[in-house]
This record gives sequence, structure tokens and C-alpha cells, in this order.
Amino acid sequence: DAKTTQPPSMDCAEGRAANLPCNHSTISGNEYVYWYRQIHSQGPQYIIHGLKNNETNEMASLIITEDRKSSTLILPHATLRDTAVYYCIVRANNAGNMLTFGGGTRLMVKP
Amino acid sequence: NAGVTQTPKFQVLKTGQSMTLQCAQDMNHNSMYWYRQDPGMGLRLIYYSASEGTTDKGEVPNGYNVSRLNKREFSLRLESAAPSQTSVYFCASIFTNRANNYGYTFGSGTRLTVV
Repeated sequence: DAKTTQPPSMDCAEGRAANLPCNHSTISGNEYVYWYRQIHSQGPQYIIHGLKNNETNEMASLIITEDRKSSTLILPHATLRDTAVYYCIVRANNAGNMLTFGGGTRLMVKP
Repeated sequence: NAGVTQTPKFQVLKTGQSMTLQCAQDMNHNSMYWYRQDPGMGLRLIYYSASEGTTDKGEVPNGYNVSRLNKREFSLRLESAAPSQTSVYFCASIFTNRANNYGYTFGSGTRLTVV
């Protein structure tokens, strides 16, 4: 799996958009970009994933640059419950490919 | 639909004791995984099972064994627990080889302390 680089921590005001960046400059053509988050003491939670196109679901939006070397997870209206560690992972959808978790970004949403 | 269920949620072992962590999923996923997470750290893969009947080592397999009992169940066994195995253990499952899979589903974790 390609290595990803994320800032270790970020703050965001409640109600504002949280934009979490991720660099994955060595991503391969068949690798997807996945985002997970882990709220304290819980199992990681899937948020969103994409290959080339921007994606949106009920939780977030994923913006992938045209060269696919970086991406941004957007939480449009952050709430206190969005405080968590956010992991950006790149992975090909093959049977033997596991998720490789890096350090992630610790997002603190403040009132 | 319970997703991924792990038992037990908490366990304290003495050094040298053995135990089996249980994991079951009801989503008909073909691949299952065991991760451990040490305090303040990311998750590290212990073992995985790409499909029923197969298992493979991950990043940190030493001291562990696994069994893919059937499509639903994937157990992790500590034969002789050591304090270094104190950690939170997460089981996960996923459909693989599907272009539109929606990511891994994780269990809520087993918090293991070895004294």
C-alpha cells in the first residue's frame, strides 16, 4: 500500500467545515483512497472512499486531485461528535490487501 | 444486523495463560482481519483471512494463532500471554474483489490486559 502523510492534529470550530488533507504521492493506478475515523476507544468507522472522482455521502465529501497525489476529506458542518482521529489509507481492492494505518489526524472540534 | 461482534469486551490474563478472542460477522463478507492497537498508536495487522479456509500473517503475528472456523467466524488465540500483548484487539471484515465495496466494518474491540 502507498504511504500517506497527514498532519498530526487540527482544530475546527463547531458548525464550520473541517478540511482534512492527505498526501499520497506514490499512489498506484488501482489504489483507492479510503478515509476512516476512530472515536475514542471505539473501532474505526468507515467514512468514504474514492478512486478518481470526487465522492459525497451523508457523512462527508472526498476531493481527489487530478493527479491523485493528494486528497481532502471535508466534513461540511463539524459537530463536537466529530472529534476523532481520522485516517487516510490507500489500498487496492485485492483479497490479500489489508489496511495499513498510519498516525492519522487528531481532529478536535471546539465549541 | 449486528455487523461484527467481538467477545469478550474485556479480559485480564496472567502471564502464561491462554485465551481465544472470538469474532463473528453477519454480513456475508469473505475477508476477515485481526488488528491490535496499543495506547496512542495506530492499528497493526496481526493476521488475516482472505477467504474461508485461508489465513495469512500480517505485520505482527508472533505469539498469536488464528482459525477461520467458517465464513462467519475468525478467532484469535494467544497460547501463552505476555505483558507485551496488552492491547486493544479489533476484528474487521470486508467484501474483497468488488469494485464498489464500502470499506471495512470493525468490531467494538476487546481490551486485553496481561499482568
